[in-house]
Amino acid sequence: QVQLVQSGAEVKKPGSSVKVSCKASGGTFSSYAISWVRQAPGQGLEWMGELIPMFGTSNDAQKFQGRVTISTDESTSTVYMDLSGLRSEDTAVYYCATISLASHPNGYFNLWGRGTLVTVSS
Amino acid sequence: SYVLTQPPSVSVAPGQTARVTCGGNNIADKSVHWYQQKPGQAPALVIYYDTDRPSGIPERFSGSNSGNTATLTISRVEAGDEADYYCQVWDGSSDHYVFGSGTKVNVL
Repeated sequence: QVQLVQSGAEVKKPGSSVKVSCKASGGTFSSYAISWVRQAPGQGLEWMGELIPMFGTSNDAQKFQGRVTISTDESTSTVYMDLSGLRSEDTAVYYCATISLASHPNGYFNLWGRGTLVTVSS
Repeated sequence: SYVLTQPPSVSVAPGQTARVTCGGNNIADKSVHWYQQKPGQAPALVIYYDTDRPSGIPERFSGSNSGNTATLTISRVEAGDEADYYCQVWDGSSDHYVFGSGTKVNVL
């Protein structure tokens, strides 16, 4: 059973960038599309974008276009989310989540990482 | 962009039925998925493709989708069902995934 293991909490200054990782433990991402979803404190879930490693394609939410980069290192079964130009409103828990390619794009997020808290503060 | 509207909260006594709605324009034309999120935890799938339950999810959880409203129904509510619930669809027009604003189910 594949599990998603995310990197640890980060504290960043406004204007800087953060790179969060998500590693597939016990498997690979070959059958999945991987999305990043964030949740600001006390707020709801917000989809940021996805990457399909098998096809090398990505799709970013309009809100984050130009600021987010989702990439992969297939040799280590790790997906990264890089968010630049950080501001206080980017303080949130960032989750990686997968959709099986068999049900993509209309499918559901069946696996979730435990989340990575990113705090943006001067 | 496509918008999903959920009530902020629903309160229900133990043993009663909770209904969480998710409104969207012609949402019946889309596949709706529901997630449960407890404090400090990642979301977990409870209903997929409108009505299907993942293994391990009690039969008390059910879903429906018609017209402009999808509904998550929790029968015989237990204290452990207290959580936030989110609906989610894929919007083909924008090629984006969309989440509802979330509903807090309070068990009285």
